[in-house]
Amino acid sequence: GAGVSQSPRYKVTKRGQDVTLRCDPISSHATLYWYQQALGQGPEFLTYFNYEAQPDKSGLPSDRFSAERPEGSISTLTIQRTEQRDSAMYRCASSLSPGYTDTQYFGPGTRLTVL
Amino acid sequence: SQELEQSPQSLIVQEGKNLTINCTSSKTLYGLYWYKQKYGEGLIFLMMLQKGGEEKSHEKITAKLDEKKQQSSLHITASQPSHAGIYLCGAYVDYYGQNFVFGPGTRLSVLP
Repeated sequence: GAGVSQSPRYKVTKRGQDVTLRCDPISSHATLYWYQQALGQGPEFLTYFNYEAQPDKSGLPSDRFSAERPEGSISTLTIQRTEQRDSAMYRCASSLSPGYTDTQYFGPGTRLTVL
Repeated sequence: SQELEQSPQSLIVQEGKNLTINCTSSKTLYGLYWYKQKYGEGLIFLMMLQKGGEEKSHEKITAKLDEKKQQSSLHITASQPSHAGIYLCGAYVDYYGQNFVFGPGTRLSVLP
C-alpha cells in the first residue's frame, strides 16, 4: 500500500478481555515498530521487528503484551487480560531498515479504550 | 499537507561544530516532543516542551519553544559522531491532546 495502515482505528473493550491490533506496513519495509502513547503523553517504544525477527522486546510493559510478525509483513499486537491502564493510542511505524538513516513512517494509530 | 515541517531535511557537519534543527507548524503546538531515531531502538525521547518560551537542555542538546508555540529549535553544541541519526519532532496540535503528529525528520551526519 501507499502508507502504513492500522486496524481497527478505535477499539473499546471491557477490562479482562483480550484485544489484537493490526499493522500493515509499507510493503518494501523490513522494519516495523510498535509504540504506546498514553493520553497527553508522547509515544513510547514497545518493540520492533526486522522482517519476522523480534530483536527487542524491552519496551513491552508486561507479559500480557505480545507482538508477532510471522511472515515479515503484517504485524499484530495482542494485549491479554486488558486493564484500564492499557488505554492508549497504539502506533505502528515502518522503515526500510533498522538503520538510523531510514525514516520511520507512522500509521494513523489505534485508539484503545478499556472500560 | 504536513502539519509539522522540519528544516533542514538533512545536515552534514564536521565534528565539533554547532548545529540547529527547526520544527515549525502553522498551528499552535500543545506539547512538543523531540526524538532521536537510533538503530533498532525505535524513537528515543529527548525532551518535551509545553510553555511558550520554554527552554530545556540535556548534555549538549538544547531545545526551545517559541513564545507563540508554533516553532521549536533543537541545538547541538560541539557535535560528536554519536549525535548522528534522524531527529524527529512530534506535537499535539489540538488543545484536548487528541491529535498528535510527527514532522518528517532531519537526517544528521557528523564527520569525524
